[in-house]
Amino acid sequence: QSVVTQPPSASGTPGQRVTISCSGGSSNIESNYVYWYQQLPGTAPRLLIFRNDQRSSGVPDRFSGSKTSLAISGLRSEDEAEYYCASWDDSLSAVVFGGGTKLTVL
Amino acid sequence: QLQLQESGPGLVKPSETLSLACTVSGDPVSGSRYHWGWIRLPPGKGLEWIGTISSTGSTYYNPSLKSRLTLHVDTSKKQFSLKLYSVTAADTALYYCARHILGGIYPDMIDNWGQGTLVTVSS
Repeated sequence: QSVVTQPPSASGTPGQRVTISCSGGSSNIESNYVYWYQQLPGTAPRLLIFRNDQRSSGVPDRFSGSKTSLAISGLRSEDEAEYYCASWDDSLSAVVFGGGTKLTVL
Repeated sequence: QLQLQESGPGLVKPSETLSLACTVSGDPVSGSRYHWGWIRLPPGKGLEWIGTISSTGSTYYNPSLKSRLTLHVDTSKKQFSLKLYSVTAADTALYYCARHILGGIYPDMIDNWGQGTLVTVSS
């Protein structure tokens, strides 16, 4: 059981806005940066959002992040992927990942 | 452009040692901002962080794996490696090597990933 939690699934139709939540505690996301990673089917994860709300190079502005959520506006079929939040945990001295959220574009 | 490539056996017997290496090209391995690490994706599960090592050999390990884990870095060969001892079927996963950056104080930001290598633990 991860110390950082995400909903296992989310869905939306093309053009919609969807939000994926990420929750943790005082030793991780409440006191450290949050990162978001996108893993498209059959590919390695890639950094999407760093330091809570900064988009990585090449990431469209449809993606926005905060400490507690990732928002995707103008949903597209190519956004269908697994999304992970992650943070440093001071108690564990470790990177901790959320369990991942599978986004389906209906 | 940084590239990371994992290498190692795809099949390991239970109770034996899983050994993987990652070769870095396009950027130096040394540098105080960079750590080099491993993440795995077990079948049907989510990402699990394994650990990181700096170019000077400082390590951070996943507490759940720490007793069975050793990371090593060879800056002259531009390689870093993982050894996981006494493996079981639960260690079957897609293993990724990755570059970590100090997002703040800790190597919490993973900005580059290898393509991954599948390791199966089975007799």
